[in-house]
Amino acid sequence: DAGVTQSPTHLIKTRGQQVTLRCSPKSGHDTVSWYQQALGQGPQFIFQYYEEEERQRGNFPDRFSGHQFPNYSSELNVNALLLGDSALYLCASSPFDRDYYGYTFGSGTRLTVV
Amino acid sequence: KNEVEQSPQNLTAQEGEFITINCSYSVGISALHWLQQHPGGGIVSLFMLSSGKKKHGRLIATINIQEKHSSLHITASHPRDSAVYICAVFGNEKLTFGTGTRLTIIP
Repeated sequence: DAGVTQSPTHLIKTRGQQVTLRCSPKSGHDTVSWYQQALGQGPQFIFQYYEEEERQRGNFPDRFSGHQFPNYSSELNVNALLLGDSALYLCASSPFDRDYYGYTFGSGTRLTVV
Repeated sequence: KNEVEQSPQNLTAQEGEFITINCSYSVGISALHWLQQHPGGGIVSLFMLSSGKKKHGRLIATINIQEKHSSLHITASHPRDSAVYICAVFGNEKLTFGTGTRLTIIP
């Protein structure tokens, strides 16, 4: 049973460019959450997608946007990249069940903005 | 003040020592996760707790809902336990993470 798959694993972009990160959830999971983890910090919640809609959003600017597809996979898009966007981007999937809080995490995409 | 606080931030111990990592939170939660993150980034879920205590091998996690506090214990620590341990609380339908505890076990 495949877990959460993220691609690419590493990425280098130039300031001002745009980037798209991808996430395939664990089989049976329909909710995808994205997190940004700066070096030495805990992950920060970006947003969560369910039924192809953004359900919740953390304190991130509109440069960060996302999408969920009918097969539950998801993309995170970041426009006008800043040096401060360099981080590990983590995707986590879960079933949409208010009585179950288990998450499965991907290995992350390490984004470096130069 | 962060909603989830962990202590210590860094911990170095000799192989075989008993390890305790603490997590305090200030928000209402439905569950608390203890996660392990190795260099390279991958996160593994160790425990999910909503009350009491759980044990898996050499790892023990406890939670006190009234005191809003949880602890992760490692018995007979081993160098392969070296990692960052993160506490995350589930509330308002999302996870909020602590900043992590970097554990180094010296042979």
